[in-house]
Amino acid sequence: QVQLQESGPGLVKPSGTLSLTCAVSGGSVSISNWWSWVRQPPGKGLEWIGEIYYSGHTNYNPSLKSRVTISVDKSKNQFSLRLSSVTAADTAVYYCAREATADAFDFWGQGTMVTVSS
Amino acid sequence: QSALTQPASVSGSPGQSITISCTGTSSDVGGYNYVSWYQQHPGKAPKLMIYEVSNRPSGVSNRFSGSKSGNTASLTISGLQAEDEADYYCSSHASSSTTVFGGGTKLTVL
Repeated sequence: QVQLQESGPGLVKPSGTLSLTCAVSGGSVSISNWWSWVRQPPGKGLEWIGEIYYSGHTNYNPSLKSRVTISVDKSKNQFSLRLSSVTAADTAVYYCAREATADAFDFWGQGTMVTVSS
Repeated sequence: QSALTQPASVSGSPGQSITISCTGTSSDVGGYNYVSWYQQHPGKAPKLMIYEVSNRPSGVSNRFSGSKSGNTASLTISGLQAEDEADYYCSSHASSSTTVFGGGTKLTVL
């Protein structure tokens, strides 16, 4: 059973950079899967942020592309998210997820709340 | 990349069937058979219920079914149960190798 666990600061200052890590257990980031980040502002819907393949290839949401970097660390079996120049609009629960097939996310982390505030 | 369109809310009584629609464009729902549906209870992570339009992951009740016609996908829940009360989201593969979600639908079991 694949398990994912997000970690990182719960509070980020405006104009700063949000950095989160997703640790994967029960599976490997080094096999043929895509690994994604999804966020959910309080009381709102889900938004896909982007994804990374085990080879390092990435795809990003066009609306966030200029500010997002997703990377993978095979030695630690984890992948990470960096979102720069954050504003209050980036306040959300951030989830990491495994993409089983064709854009279907079958395993999710529990989510981590990140608040952007001074 | 615009969010897919879902009704804000639907409701039904126990035992009844309901259908949630998810409308996109030819650049997402209509262009690919890669529509998924997720169930999300308050404070919990989403759970995959349907993938590739109509496939159910192992362990998901056969009361959940999916379909697609043109640019609109649908999730049908038959034999409604109290535990089905949750938010439901559709998602689709979209052009430029991206993924787009719907705005979400709150299902109330009366």
